[in-house]
Amino acid sequence: GQQLNQSPQSMFIQEGEDVSMNCTSSSIFNTWLWYKQDPGEGPVLLIALYKAGELTSNGRLTAQFGITRKDSFLNISASIPSDVGIYFCAGQTSGGSNYKLTFGKGTLLTVNP
Amino acid sequence: DGGITQSPKYLFRKEGQNVTLSCEQNLNHDAMYWYRQDPGQGLRLIYYSQIVNDFQKGDIAEGYSVSREKKESFPLTVTSAQKNPTAFYLCASRVTDTQYFGPGTRLTVL
Repeated sequence: GQQLNQSPQSMFIQEGEDVSMNCTSSSIFNTWLWYKQDPGEGPVLLIALYKAGELTSNGRLTAQFGITRKDSFLNISASIPSDVGIYFCAGQTSGGSNYKLTFGKGTLLTVNP
Repeated sequence: DGGITQSPKYLFRKEGQNVTLSCEQNLNHDAMYWYRQDPGQGLRLIYYSQIVNDFQKGDIAEGYSVSREKKESFPLTVTSAQKNPTAFYLCASRVTDTQYFGPGTRLTVL
């Protein structure tokens, strides 16, 4: 299956700093989803984007659906220790009976207090 | 309390044994999915079901089987034919274009 290019692979930041991560694909997606996964747990949905150009916020998180429909970014402002985890992007093609997600490999975020 | 439950959280099996992982949802979602997660890799799709009594192979279906007899339930069987079954298994369900995940089952084959 196809993989998305997610970068960076890992980030080490100080508490209070802003963070940015992004995903790019050679294919067009109809939906972009951003998830956070804590160790040993299932991914939790953070933000869902459904339209090209859409910019959506969820508290300190902001994500955008790229105009070309081949990329998306996630920003976290004023990071706190509980932001630690793995962040995944996922692009979804849809139509007919085919709704499948393609996942990035994740960005591991470490926040130093 | 609506959501997706997976049981058990941790599962140990001897090599050569089949094992079935449970996934239940009370969200009234039609579509359900099974993924496998290995360290350093993205999630890989094993099987999915868009509706009761129907399911499709994903990208890595070999050595796995599923059933979808009820809307709420989508159990995954890891058979002895799966060469490297030790992994973290995630179940998900979908409404419109959004998938939601369960808490996962970590399977270790000894």
